[in-house]
Order: sequence, then C-alpha cells, then structure tokens
Amino acid sequence: SQQGEEDPQALSIQEGENATMNCSYKTSINNLQWYRQNSGRGLVHLILIRSNEREKHSGRLRVTLDTSKKSSSLLITASRAADTASYFCASGAGSYQLTFGKGTKLSVIP
Amino acid sequence: EAQVTQNPRYLITVTGKKLTVTCSQNMNHEYMSWYRQDPGLGLRQIYYSMNVEVTDKGDVPEGYKVSRKEKRNFPLILESPSPNQTSLYFCASRPAGGVGSYNEQFFGPGTRLTVL
Repeated sequence: SQQGEEDPQALSIQEGENATMNCSYKTSINNLQWYRQNSGRGLVHLILIRSNEREKHSGRLRVTLDTSKKSSSLLITASRAADTASYFCASGAGSYQLTFGKGTKLSVIP
Repeated sequence: EAQVTQNPRYLITVTGKKLTVTCSQNMNHEYMSWYRQDPGLGLRQIYYSMNVEVTDKGDVPEGYKVSRKEKRNFPLILESPSPNQTSLYFCASRPAGGVGSYNEQFFGPGTRLTVL
C-alpha cells in the first residue's frame, strides 16, 4: 500500500534558500530513504536513515526521522538551480519492499 | 559501469498486443522490482523478486506477469495490454545484504508505455 506522503506537493524557492520537504508514513518501519528524480528519468538514491537514528547528514542534505510521529523531513541547504527535481521518500518495513510516496516537486529559481 | 538497463525506452502499442519490457542489472543484485509511475499517484510497486525463481506481487500486479530465470534479468510481461496500463515503468535492483542491513535501490532509466 502507498503509505508515504510528502508535503508539500510542490515547492518553489530562490537559489541559495533552504528547502524543506516532509514525509509521513503509516506503519512501523525499519528504515526510510529519500530519492531524487529529474524529470521523466530514473530515481537516484540520496540518503537512508534507520529507525534507530534521529538525524543524518550528507553534504547539503539533512534528514530527520521521528518514529513517534511517523514522519521524516529532508532539508536541502543553500539550494542550487541543479537541485530542481522531484523528491520521494520511501519507507522500508521489511526486507524486500520499499513503499514510495507521491513526491515533492522542487523548483529552484536562479 | 554498474547499471540497470531497460528496453525499450519508449513503446506505443495497441490494446491486446502482448509485449515484454526487459530489465537487466550487472551488479549481481538479489532483489529486483518493477514500479509504475503515474501523475498524482507516485510510484507503485507491481512485482518484486527476492532471487532467481522467487517472485511476489506488489501493490498493483493485475494485468502483469514477471519471471526471474536468471539473476540479472527480470522481464515485465503484459499479456493483453489495456489503455489503463499507459504509464512510466521503472525497474530497480538492490543487493540483499546481511541481516539488519538496508540497501538503496538502483533504478533503470524508465520505459514510457502508451497503449492505444
């Protein structure tokens, strides 16, 4: 079942600003992942956070996870025009399946 | 280069004409999956495979078949395509890892299918 839901659906910011996207999920998970998709292309893995972690950093990306609220956020700092893409969270509840959300479409205006 | 490849990348067909979309990965991954992506619905899993000869249904398996005869290949078969199967399809793979390990998925470039 589709359990990840991103918020907002679309986000438009100026270059240099920070972008924050949120994800909610419904059932218990053992990990949550964020992916990026450039228009019409395959998804690319950005970062994975385990259920026993609360925060993780990778370059300009910061991910938080609140299992009590069943939510995660992705922060992109100092955004660039090249960050324009759709961002998806994917929750992993077992060994095999990842359930993707509907995505947030980010536009970074130069 | 480590990659997941799909063929064809674009396909226009007619209702009822059987088709196969191929997927191949060169990373020796155990897990492979097929997703479809539709506007407003995000990615939905069609089928997945944990290893050779082991497959299972995802969230939207109706109208699709898969097979996993070799580790590297995971074709998606539409026996009798219908217009509601018009979509963007992605194949993905990832390693199994050990107990407690969680691994990223590697996605193919996508196949845009139109069924008239």
